[in-house]
Amino acid sequence: DQQVKQNSPSLSVQEGRISILNCDYTNSMFDYFLWYKKYPAEGPTFLISISSIKDKNEDGRFTVFLNKSAKHLSLHIVPSQPGDSAVYFCALSYNTNAGKSTFGDGTTLTVKP
Amino acid sequence: EPEVTQTPSHQVTQMGQEVILRCVPISNHLYFYWYRQILGQKVEFLVSFYNNEISEKSEIFDDQFSVERPDGSNFTLKIRSTKLEDSAMYFCASRKGESNQPQHFGDGTRLSIL
Repeated sequence: DQQVKQNSPSLSVQEGRISILNCDYTNSMFDYFLWYKKYPAEGPTFLISISSIKDKNEDGRFTVFLNKSAKHLSLHIVPSQPGDSAVYFCALSYNTNAGKSTFGDGTTLTVKP
Repeated sequence: EPEVTQTPSHQVTQMGQEVILRCVPISNHLYFYWYRQILGQKVEFLVSFYNNEISEKSEIFDDQFSVERPDGSNFTLKIRSTKLEDSAMYFCASRKGESNQPQHFGDGTRLSIL
């Protein structure tokens, strides 16, 4: 049972345009929704997050949207830059002490100059 | 900026041998995690550790796996008798406090079982 899905394994966009990465989940009990970025040979790096009580969070070029009724999460990057090229993971967690994260499969974003 | 460090970066081990992967979490963090990523697959949760005990573990984390925080700074993952399917990237992560805070990941140890 895959609780978190990123249906697009890859995405290619032109520099300066918007990148939209999507994530769908099945369990409505998740409390926190995070996006991580991963470069080759490095660990995931936290990018931005949103709690279940909000529907939007913005940090510079990055905006995360949460649609709880659709169980859908998205990350918008605008304008996209070549340095944004990486694998992006959504990760969902509960408000517990363990606080483990359940990761999506990842989407490889390529931003072309 | 403080970071999570993992050693070694690459470990090659014969099947059936024991292996210990080491991590130094960020010093004021209270929650510690191990994840793994098999090549081409998603990052999978293995175990979480808080207050000197396991708080949650996945079905992957069977009796062959154990974790320890031996000295207040290191956090180790031991695999007692490695199998070919244990070959993966193993990531250590730590979190400061509240569950709404992100986990900080190390760069991983690539474990290759021959």
